[in-house]
Amino acid sequence: DAKTTQPPSMDCAEGRAANLPCNHSTISGNEYVYWYRQIHSQGPQYIIHGLKNNETNEMASLIITEDRKSSTLILPHATLRDTAVYYCTSQGGKLIFGQGTELSVKP
Amino acid sequence: KAGVTQTPRYLIKTRGQQVTLSCSPISGHRSVSWYQQTPGQGLQFLFEYFSETQRNKGNFPGRFSGRQFSNSRSEMNVSTLELGDSALYLCASSLGRGQRSYNSPLHFGNGTRLTVT
Repeated sequence: DAKTTQPPSMDCAEGRAANLPCNHSTISGNEYVYWYRQIHSQGPQYIIHGLKNNETNEMASLIITEDRKSSTLILPHATLRDTAVYYCTSQGGKLIFGQGTELSVKP
Repeated sequence: KAGVTQTPRYLIKTRGQQVTLSCSPISGHRSVSWYQQTPGQGLQFLFEYFSETQRNKGNFPGRFSGRQFSNSRSEMNVSTLELGDSALYLCASSLGRGQRSYNSPLHFGNGTRLTVT
């Protein structure tokens, strides 16, 4: 089962870009990289996912390295409401979440 | 479209009792998975169901069980509750299982907060 590694916490200034890294060196060739975030006392919320190519949606951008062993989630203009725990996971057979990164956006 | 609904939202039980939690997936979603979330262990996978069949199971004792009905609604049951079972139990649904589901995001409910005393 694929395992992901993320820094436990990060800070970001409001209005600046937040770049959250994730290592998924054991990901299988057909597994997608997914990012979710969880705000206290709510269920995780889907953000974005990708297989090989970089992806962008209204919430964020996802950059996946060519060897697919790591990725970066980019929140281009972080706001206070982006303060949350961000989980990177590879979605394949058993669904495994790491400990996530607690992002604090500060004014 | 209505989101994933979990009931009840909060539950208090005593050690040794059993509990049943319910999850209604998003309409059209056939895959339902369950997670336990605690401060110490984070989000841990319990099991996944697709078309009434358990497809994957996490590393939890047999006291934890689940099922899925023909309308895709799912229940999980925990028997002989222990203090350590106190947690937020989350349910997620997605469109499918198998190769297609790798390209299918999970949609989570807001969970059931279980407290065992």
